[in-house]
Amino acid sequence: NAGVTQTPKFRILKIGQSMTLQCTQDMNHNYMYWYRQDPGMGLKLIYYSVGAGITDKGEVPNGYNVSRSTTEDFPLRLELAAPSQTSVYFCASRETSGRGGEQFFGPGTRLTVL
Amino acid sequence: AQKITQTQPGMFVQEKEAVTLDCTYDTSDQSYGLFWYKQPSSGEMIFLIYQGSYDEQNATEGRYSLNFQKARKSANLVISASQLGDSAMYFCAMRRASGGSYIPTFGRGTSLIVHP
Repeated sequence: NAGVTQTPKFRILKIGQSMTLQCTQDMNHNYMYWYRQDPGMGLKLIYYSVGAGITDKGEVPNGYNVSRSTTEDFPLRLELAAPSQTSVYFCASRETSGRGGEQFFGPGTRLTVL
Repeated sequence: AQKITQTQPGMFVQEKEAVTLDCTYDTSDQSYGLFWYKQPSSGEMIFLIYQGSYDEQNATEGRYSLNFQKARKSANLVISASQLGDSAMYFCAMRRASGGSYIPTFGRGTSLIVHP
């Protein structure tokens, strides 16, 4: 049981390039989330999904796109990378049922845009 | 709008002593949940403790307890008998329900350093 996995761990992009951050979970969780964490800050929600085929915007969706074709995978697409997208990106998942609804986080992807 | 405030950017504590990390929240929802997560220097986010808005008892998980004062809208984390491994960033978070989904909001975090 690997939990939530993210690839790559590190990436440097040039301004205007595109890339996809991969996220996979093997816990059969319906809910999945993408966050960004800027230095010295908390997590800000980019997009989330409540199940395959259903996604919605979070607090800071501009410049990003997501898809959810399977329960396991929730990739985040960056189009036309900008220096403001330099951040650490976390993917998370949670159970639908359960009293608390704690999130399980991936190890993060550190992205630098130059 | 939901908001989480952590007013202590940094805290220091002696090993084996207790420490309280402050968290206040703002919501108009009646049903909500409060969480604390730990982020060590290695970067991963680790769930510590959960408190539901209708829970009458304060949550406890080992050395962690949550001092929940609903009327004051505060959800402070208490770590008893601090250990060197407790040195990390600590984030308070709140989840709200939005059309059946659960949207989490995080505070800016408190850095805790435990001295030997």
